Amino acid sequence: GENVEQHPSTLSVQEGDSAVIKCTYSDSASNYFPWYKQELGKRPQLIIDIRSNVGEKKDQRIAVTLNKTAKHFSLHITETQPEDSAVYFCAASTSGYSTLTFGKGTMLLVSP
Amino acid sequence: GAVVSQHPSWVICKSGTSVKIECRSLDFQATTMFWYRQFPKQSLMLMATSNEGSKATYEQGVEKDKFLINHASLTLSTLTVTSAHPEDSSFYICSARPPVRDFYNEQFFGPGTRLTVL
Repeated sequence: GENVEQHPSTLSVQEGDSAVIKCTYSDSASNYFPWYKQELGKRPQLIIDIRSNVGEKKDQRIAVTLNKTAKHFSLHITETQPEDSAVYFCAASTSGYSTLTFGKGTMLLVSP
Repeated sequence: GAVVSQHPSWVICKSGTSVKIECRSLDFQATTMFWYRQFPKQSLMLMATSNEGSKATYEQGVEKDKFLINHASLTLSTLTVTSAHPEDSSFYICSARPPVRDFYNEQFFGPGTRLTVL
């Protein structure tokens, strides 16, 4: 089955800096890669996703890149703010009726 | 759109009792719902996939007789933790998938249920 590795497990940055979280996946058939933000005790919230037919997607301060050849995708957050502090999960799945496989998560701490 | 609710948000029970958790898709019909368990500082672990009108598919290592799943309608799935023990204490989260659109696998998560077994 699919295996998703996520790095780093923790990331501390100063407010205004950029943050990058990287994930690799094993199943070359995977074609959907969402990123979730989870605050303590709350539900995971989809913040951005990318599909295999594009290499990059951007939404304001958040961007995701995908390299299908290398089987890795990354989350980029620019101009970080303290409210960006949370745990971020990447995930991967194949199309249709398959399940999501999650990475282990990255705890992002943005210091004022 | 794509709102998923979960009830209760937290529950405390005695060891040996059973607890039922409900997951509802409020503004869409979900033929498939998923149940996850999340221990502190860990990732979401898929427990089972629930399909409306059929038996749930459990992940390896998840006891189907202990975690009973019923997906009786297109908007409701329930998870019953039977004979709960302290090691079952966890954060249980459901997700629901709208009808497959664009052939991709979007899921929307409920707010989670914090189960504490004494």
